[in-house]
Amino acid sequence: NAGVTQTPKFQVLKTGQSMTLQCAQDMNHEYMSWYRQDPGMGLRLIHYSVGAGITDQGEVPNGYNVSRSTTEDFPLRLLSAAPSQTSVYFCASSYFDGRGPGNTIYFGEGSWLTVV
Amino acid sequence: AQSVTQLGSHVSVSEGALVLLRCNYSSSVPPYLFWYVQYPNQGLQLLLKYTSAATLVKGINGFEAEFKKSETSFHLTKPSAHMSDAAEYFCAVSGGSGGYNKLIFGAGTRLAVHP
Repeated sequence: NAGVTQTPKFQVLKTGQSMTLQCAQDMNHEYMSWYRQDPGMGLRLIHYSVGAGITDQGEVPNGYNVSRSTTEDFPLRLLSAAPSQTSVYFCASSYFDGRGPGNTIYFGEGSWLTVV
Repeated sequence: AQSVTQLGSHVSVSEGALVLLRCNYSSSVPPYLFWYVQYPNQGLQLLLKYTSAATLVKGINGFEAEFKKSETSFHLTKPSAHMSDAAEYFCAVSGGSGGYNKLIFGAGTRLAVHP
């Protein structure tokens, strides 16, 4: 089982460059989300989606865009990278139980992004 | 908005000793509560979850947690620590004004286990 697949695993960007972090899941999960992890701050929710065509903001959405054209894919776009976006990014997916991700949430292995 | 506070960013125990990692939450509605573990340079793995069923939740690797509404706590325990338990542990909550769609994490507790 592939589960949740994130690419790339490592990336170095220059300030102002754009890039897309890819996330794909093969479990037919409705719910997908993106988190960033910074030392001493745990994981913070960037954006989430409860189904194809539906996205919403999390705790720290500024500087990031998402779209959900298919159930399987949930890419995260950085339009103009800033050093403050240096972080580890995690994509996650789960079934949607009508209220939220109450069931097990599956995480990808993370993408390490450095903006110089 | 809901929030999670993990008391102690670093906890150190001896092998064989009790592990107690503290988590307090705030939520205006019955919450879902989770504990995740993260090993170095890896993603997160679910240890256990509470979703309004039994208040004592048993998870993987011998861990368990008890939901105490009166104390707004969801502390993680393991009777006897093993060297392989050394990792970072995250408590998380969903529910409250943020809704069940948003999983909010605590800052994490790094557990060290020494011989």
